[in-house]
Amino acid sequence: GIQVEQSPPDLILQEGANSTLRCNFSDSVNNLQWFHQNPWGQLINLFYIPSGTKQNGRLSATTVATERYSLLYISSSQTTDSGVYFCGKSHSGGGADGLTFGKGTHLIIQP
Amino acid sequence: EAGVAQSPRYKIIEKRQSVAFWCNPISGHATLYWYQQILGQGPKLLIQFQNNGVVDDSQLPKDRFSAERLKGVDSTLKIQPAKLEDSAVYLCASSFPGRLIDEQFFGPGTRLTVL
Repeated sequence: GIQVEQSPPDLILQEGANSTLRCNFSDSVNNLQWFHQNPWGQLINLFYIPSGTKQNGRLSATTVATERYSLLYISSSQTTDSGVYFCGKSHSGGGADGLTFGKGTHLIIQP
Repeated sequence: EAGVAQSPRYKIIEKRQSVAFWCNPISGHATLYWYQQILGQGPKLLIQFQNNGVVDDSQLPKDRFSAERLKGVDSTLKIQPAKLEDSAVYLCASSFPGRLIDEQFFGPGTRLTVL
C-alpha cells in the first residue's frame, strides 16, 4: 500500500535555528498537505502542496513529485513552533482521496 | 467561515459500551472523512463520504464501527461495542472536491478513552 515516511522522527533545536523536515512517499501524488498538530490535538493546515514551492512567513515547503518527496522548512524557529508536524498525501484522482499520513516529526524548540 | 465542528470533545467509556461521535463539516463541503489517531501515530482514514454516499470504507472495522451521513451534511460515527484498543482521537475532516485545490480541513477531534 501507500507508504509515507517522515524524518527525522524527533528534532531538538535552539530558538533561532533553521530546520528541514522531510516526507518521502512511495507512489504518485494527487494531494499533499503539511500540518502542525497543536497541543490540543488539532491539525492546523500549513501547506497544500502536491508540487512546486510555497512560502508563508518563516515557513516554506517544496514538493518534487517526480522524486517522491516533500520538504518543510522552518526558519528562525520560535518556541511556539514546537509540536508534531505531519505530512499526508493521497494518490487517487478518482474520488477516493483520503490522506495517508506519516508518523510525524516531533519538533522541540528550546529557548 | 466556520470550521469543522465535532462533539463531544472528550468521552470516557468502559469496554463493551457503545459511543457515538458527531461531525458538522464546513458549509458547502461535499466530502467528509473520519480518521482515527492512536497516540504516537499519524491519523488513519476510516471512511470517506461524498455527499451521503460512501466512497471508501476499506479501513473501517465494520464488525464494530459504523458511520452515516444521511442528509449529506452532518455525520455520525459509532462504535459498538468498544474495545480497549479503540482509545484514540477521532478526527473529522472535510473538503470541497472539484476545485483545483482539494484541501482537507480538520476539526478539533474527539478524544476517546476506553477503560
